[in-house]
Amino acid sequence: SQTIHQWPATLVQPVGSPLSLECTVEGTSNPNLYWYRQAAGRGLQLLFYSVGIGQISSEVPQNLSASRPQDRQFILSSKKLLLSDSGFYLCAWSGKGKRSFFGQGTRLTVV
Amino acid sequence: RKEVEQDPGPFNVPEGATVAFNCTYSNSASQSFFWYRQDCRKEPKLLMSVYSSGNEDGRFTAQLNRASQYISLLIRDSKLSDSATYLCVVISNTGGFKTIFGAGTRLFVKA
Repeated sequence: SQTIHQWPATLVQPVGSPLSLECTVEGTSNPNLYWYRQAAGRGLQLLFYSVGIGQISSEVPQNLSASRPQDRQFILSSKKLLLSDSGFYLCAWSGKGKRSFFGQGTRLTVV
Repeated sequence: RKEVEQDPGPFNVPEGATVAFNCTYSNSASQSFFWYRQDCRKEPKLLMSVYSSGNEDGRFTAQLNRASQYISLLIRDSKLSDSATYLCVVISNTGGFKTIFGAGTRLFVKA
């Protein structure tokens, strides 16, 4: 069966520090991978999605970047965090045209 | 116009009530539809798929109206444990599969 791992679960980082969130998927190959952000009480905002290794599409301009160095690994990064980067970050995977499965999420607080 | 729009909520209902959520989508090429449930501070999880013929899972009934481009979710005999945010999800295939999440409708079921 397929599983998705996302870590860490919570993170407190100072403004200006770098960020690296990692997500890995097991039990499937060539998945679509997604990074979402959810502000408190708000809906999901799609940040990046990837249909294959090295293929990254950005949905909104921002202080973040994503990379997919391996088929089942998706990394969200920032060189310098802003206060506005605080939120609930969710990684998800799907088959092509299929429903999405989410990781447990990372609650990031930038202080 | 947003690609997927939901009733903003919140819906406050007593236990035992019947509540209905609607969701409209703008892309007529959309091909797959789902309802997800998201508990506070947790990741979204699939509640049910939505089929043209309509489908039922216990107290939950989902309907799809392709002509009017909306889907609905009906919850009968509401329980306290139904309190959550319900997300409408649409997958379309226009030059590549694209998954769009609605902003969600919050439901509070009260004793």
